[in-house]
Amino acid sequence: DIQMTHFPPSLSASVGDSVNITCRASQTPNNYLHWYQQKPGKAPQLLIYAVDNLHSGVPSRFSGSGSGTDFTLTISSLQPEDFATYYCQQTYGFPWTFGLGTRVEIK
Amino acid sequence: QVQLVQSGDEVKKPGSSVKVSCRTSGSTSSSYTLSWVRQAPGQGLEWMGRIIPSLEVINYAQKFQGRVTINADKLTTLAYMELSSLTSEDTAVYYCARGSSHDPYFGIDVWGQGTTVTVSS
Repeated sequence: DIQMTHFPPSLSASVGDSVNITCRASQTPNNYLHWYQQKPGKAPQLLIYAVDNLHSGVPSRFSGSGSGTDFTLTISSLQPEDFATYYCQQTYGFPWTFGLGTRVEIK
Repeated sequence: QVQLVQSGDEVKKPGSSVKVSCRTSGSTSSSYTLSWVRQAPGQGLEWMGRIIPSLEVINYAQKFQGRVTINADKLTTLAYMELSSLTSEDTAVYYCARGSSHDPYFGIDVWGQGTTVTVSS
């Protein structure tokens, strides 16, 4: 199985901050790497697919980058509605796997 | 706009089975993948398996092999996930989630509202 590891597991930030969340895969997912946002009590929502492609309707302050086994989700100017948990997922090898998530909290 | 509507919450006894349904509305496309993902209380997301209804392709996570069955009715746009031999560790919110392509390169872009399954004696 391809293991996905988030760094950091949680972070505190203020509105307006730029935030980077890292996800490392145990082997390359060959760019089949996606990012989701989940708020408490809600279903996850797709933010970024295939490393750096912004899903329709997602604000442009979200961006993705990376290659090989290391990937980053960047939120360029944190907004109040962005405080949530973020998950990376690979869909290259079965089973598809998620990281344990990074929780973004208000400082 | 594609929406997924799941069946209601369930309470089950250990050793029993649960069957959760997922109905797609707002789409006429047959080129999609339907996954089931679960989330135990306070935990992360866990992929259980997926089906491509138009190709009759099904893949299960090894962890659930032999205990989970995923199927779909192409005509009614209903999909099902049945999990057997339930234990307390199966207590979770179960999501159906759709990728709008056979190719998982595009991620999972539509999620159901979730069905809470509680396993308790």
